[in-house]
This record gives sequence, C-alpha cells and structure tokens, in this order.
Amino acid sequence: KNQVEQSPQSLIILEGKNCTLQCNYTVSPFSNLRWYKQDTGRGPVSLTIMTFSENTKSNGRYTATLDADTKQSSLHITASQLSDSASYICVVSPTGGGNKLTFGTGTQLKVEL
Amino acid sequence: GAGVSQSPSNKVTEKGKDVELRCDPISGHTALYWYRQSLGQGLEFLIYFQGNSAPDKSGLPSDRFSAERTGGSVSTLTIQRTQQEDSAVYLCASSYGLAGGPNNEQFFGPGTRLTVL
Repeated sequence: KNQVEQSPQSLIILEGKNCTLQCNYTVSPFSNLRWYKQDTGRGPVSLTIMTFSENTKSNGRYTATLDADTKQSSLHITASQLSDSASYICVVSPTGGGNKLTFGTGTQLKVEL
Repeated sequence: GAGVSQSPSNKVTEKGKDVELRCDPISGHTALYWYRQSLGQGLEFLIYFQGNSAPDKSGLPSDRFSAERTGGSVSTLTIQRTQQEDSAVYLCASSYGLAGGPNNEQFFGPGTRLTVL
C-alpha cells in the first residue's frame, strides 16, 4: 500500500469552478508535506510546503490544508482556469528521512470551458 | 538564471542497448536527485548526490543502473542493457540542501522520456 494516497484519481471541472483534491498519508513522523503541479511533459513545480505544525498555506488561488492528527491534506483550487489542467502531486517528507520524499500518484485535473 | 535542464528530452532505444541521460542542475545547488516516473505511478527515487558525500544509491532498481556527478555539477544516469520495463520518464531535481527539509525546495527538470523497443 502506498504511503501517500490521493483522490480522486482524475477530475473534470468547468472553468471558474472550485475543486478540492485529497491526500491521505501514513508516513509518520513527518517533517513537511508538499503539493506539486505537474503540467504534461514538464517536471513538477512546487505549489506549497507545510511543516507538521502548520494547518494551512496559500499560494494565489491554491490553498493547502493539513490535519496532522488525521494524516490528511487537501488542496483547494479557487476559480479554476484552463491552465490549471495538470497533475497535482502530494509529497511527504519523513522526519529524519533526509532525501527520502514519498510521492503520491497524483490527481489528474482537467478544466474545461 | 536557468532552471534544471535535462537532455535528451526524448530517447528511443532498442532493448539491450545502453543509454545515458544528462542533468544540469541549478548553479549552486549541492543536492541532486534522479527519479523515475512510470505511467500511473508516483515518482520513484533512484539516487541522490549531496556535495562531496557518497551518493545514496538505495533506489537504483538493479546493477544495470548507475549515475555519477562530475565536479559537483552535471550528472549522468546510465542504464546498461536496457529492458522494456525501463521505459519511463526520468526526472532530475536539485536543491540547496536536503530536499526533505522544509526550507529546501526541489526544482525539477523537464525529464527525459525513455522508450525501449
């Protein structure tokens, strides 16, 4: 079982709508949790980084939340745009793991007119 | 300055051939990572270089895979006697320090798409 599970696997929404992507993890203890956006044919780009003590972090229309008790994180996208179409990847860094980041398989988001 | 660059962007090879993938990290970044991304899978850690320390090779799937980093900058990932299951996107990333730290953001290159026929 993957230590970082994301849902849904894929999602289609209309431009202008909001959406929320979920990430459940079992990595424990952990140092920080990140959300990345990966456009097709490109490398992932960091959206947010939250330490275990943070509950929320925003980056423009992207807001990530973290509940360390339930080991859940979400990424909320407000007023979606066509350019938001991408894969969104949740990544957890274990405490003392140094370089050993654990990547989720991602949620594939498509924004349509 | 430029971000992380990788070459080639696409590589098609025949089973049994050797391939070399190149990564140019961001200047000044001491940490360099190689990952493999297969269809429908999360990024899989392959190898990690940090400064002059011995690389962490724990993610390499077999002895057909090797990597080196010359002069603390450019890195080459070599796959010998390629197999069809090696087909994937190979991503390189760099950071100032250990990427696991909350203040050390990883910057990824665009990847090399390897297809083994």
